[in-house]
Amino acid sequence: QVRLKESGPRLVQPSQTLSVTCTVSGFSVTSYHVSWVRQPPGKGLEWVGAIWKGGSTDYNSALKSRLSISRDTSKNQVFLKMNSLQTDDTGTYYCAKHGPIPYFDYWGQGVMVTVSS
Amino acid sequence: EIVLTQSPTTIAASPGEKVTITCRASSSVSYMYWYQQKPGASPKPWIYDTSKLASGVPNRFSGSGSGTSYSLTINTMETEDAATYYCQQWSSTPPTFGAGTKLELK
Repeated sequence: QVRLKESGPRLVQPSQTLSVTCTVSGFSVTSYHVSWVRQPPGKGLEWVGAIWKGGSTDYNSALKSRLSISRDTSKNQVFLKMNSLQTDDTGTYYCAKHGPIPYFDYWGQGVMVTVSS
Repeated sequence: EIVLTQSPTTIAASPGEKVTITCRASSSVSYMYWYQQKPGASPKPWIYDTSKLASGVPNRFSGSGSGTSYSLTINTMETEDAATYYCQQWSSTPPTFGAGTKLELK
């Protein structure tokens, strides 16, 4: 069955870099697009960026200068790196699989990241 | 980017009551997608292509709309439907979400 699981640090200091890994099973990252979506505590959902099945990427323009999404196809993993973190980057970071239509049909459990000194 | 405005922000409904949540887009979109999220859980796909129910979604739910106005309707509210519902579009990049509608049990 399809599964996505995020892993990464729970606490990051301001100005530092966040690195989160999404390990997927049940599908290949070369066959389906994968996005990152984040959610500040008690707030709504924000699309962070995507890596397309062909390997190209697209980023939220508000975050683009700080963001990098990549993958390891041999391990079926997708990576999120965001630098210069600030307190308003605190939130839960989800990876989500795209369906054959432009919507997210499977989500990981998310990783809660707190930016604090 | 396309801004999605959901209303109401919060709604309380009694079991058996009909509930409608609206999502308005700042520009016309081709389809609307909906997710259900309960506290401490990931969002679940709920409605796709405006009106199609995701796997496992009870048929008391329905979706409709076109252009800039879309809605999610629960024909008869049940206890398990208490959650936050988000609309989402991807007619243009970036994909955007509404701010969510919290549905509470009265």
